[in-house]
Order: sequence, then structure tokens, then C-alpha cells
Amino acid sequence: NAGVMQNPRHLVRRRGQEARLRCSPMKGHSHVYWYRQLPEEGLKFMVYLQKENIIDESGMPKERFSAEFPKEGPSILRIQQVVRGDSAAYFCASSPPGGARTEAFFGQGTRLTVV
Amino acid sequence: AQRVTQPEKLLSVFKGAPVELKCNYSYSGSPELFWYVQYSRQRLQLLLRHISRESIKGFTADLNKGETSFHLKKPFAQEEDSAMYYCAQLTGGGNKLTFGTGTQLKVEL
Repeated sequence: NAGVMQNPRHLVRRRGQEARLRCSPMKGHSHVYWYRQLPEEGLKFMVYLQKENIIDESGMPKERFSAEFPKEGPSILRIQQVVRGDSAAYFCASSPPGGARTEAFFGQGTRLTVV
Repeated sequence: AQRVTQPEKLLSVFKGAPVELKCNYSYSGSPELFWYVQYSRQRLQLLLRHISRESIKGFTADLNKGETSFHLKKPFAQEEDSAMYYCAQLTGGGNKLTFGTGTQLKVEL
């Protein structure tokens, strides 16, 4: 089991472009979480998804950000019209059916730089 | 909103010295708390959870409801313990982990 895979590891976008971050959960995991880490800050929860459903998006900015976890394929975090303030490390985690209560397995993150 | 506080950004100790990484959480009747660790160039991983009452790599953490604390302790620090440590609380009805800002532990020879 390769663990949670995120790609790309590094992404550079110009202001106004779109950023697409991908996350493949561990085999057998049906829960996916996205977190953002700004410089000098801890991990901040963004969204929690199960297959084809958004369960909790209380940490997602109201505009420009969206997430999906389709029946087939990886989970995608999409940021439209990126701004400098979106520069951060974005981490994905997955959990087995018990959810984060059991254990969250993290990917290595995608470092987004907006220039 | 639930908050997890780790007051120290950096903790530096000598090898063999005791270690205590502080964590305080906001009140929640029956909290579920975790310690995650990130070693250099590795991904964040679970170290221990209070519900298991386990000791991992010599680390223990006791939940103190009176002080709303969940401090991480180890009696004798080792060089390989140098890492970033995050305290986390399960929140949002069990849907998510709320993390503290982390403490960088540096064990010096």
C-alpha cells in the first residue's frame, strides 16, 4: 500500500490561474480530508469528503475553492483565480471507515506558490 | 470554536533529559485527543491517541480534564525524537481534526 499520494508535490501558478491538487487515498479508505498550512501556522481543516459526497466543508473559503471525490479517481481540490494569499502547503489525509477517530494517514502535501 | 493550543514553537533539550510538550484544548465533555509527529522529510503520522492509553517510542500523554491538557512526555529524550509534534482534537462531531500550531523538538547531544 503506497500510502496517500498527492500530486503534484510543487505547483507554481500565476495570479488568476487555476490550481488543481490531486489526492489518491490509501486503498480501502473512503474518507478524505484536505488541510491547508500557511507559513508559521498549524494545519487548518478545509473539507471532509466521502465518495461522491461533501460531508463537512466548514473550513473552505466561500469563493474560488471547491473539492470533489468522485466515484472513480482521486479527490481534487480546485482553486480558481488564485491569489498570492493562496500560497501554502495543502495536505490530504485519508481514513478507513471509522474516520479520523481511528487514524488519519497523511500525504506529503502539495506546496502551492502563486507568483 | 474548538481550539488546541501549543504554547511553545520550539523546545530544545539535551539527550537523556526529560521532555514535556504542552498541549491545551478547549473544553469538550469527552474530548478525543491525538499527538501527530512529522520527522524531517517525512509525512505527518499518528504518534498516539489518548483513548488507547498506549506508550509509543517511550512517549506517553495523559488527559487532564481539570486542566484541559494533554501534554506529551518522555523521560529520556533521544536524538531521533527531534521532529515537529502536533497535538490534535477530534471536533465537528468526529468529522475532523483540529490541530495546534505545533512544537519543534530539538534534541541536542
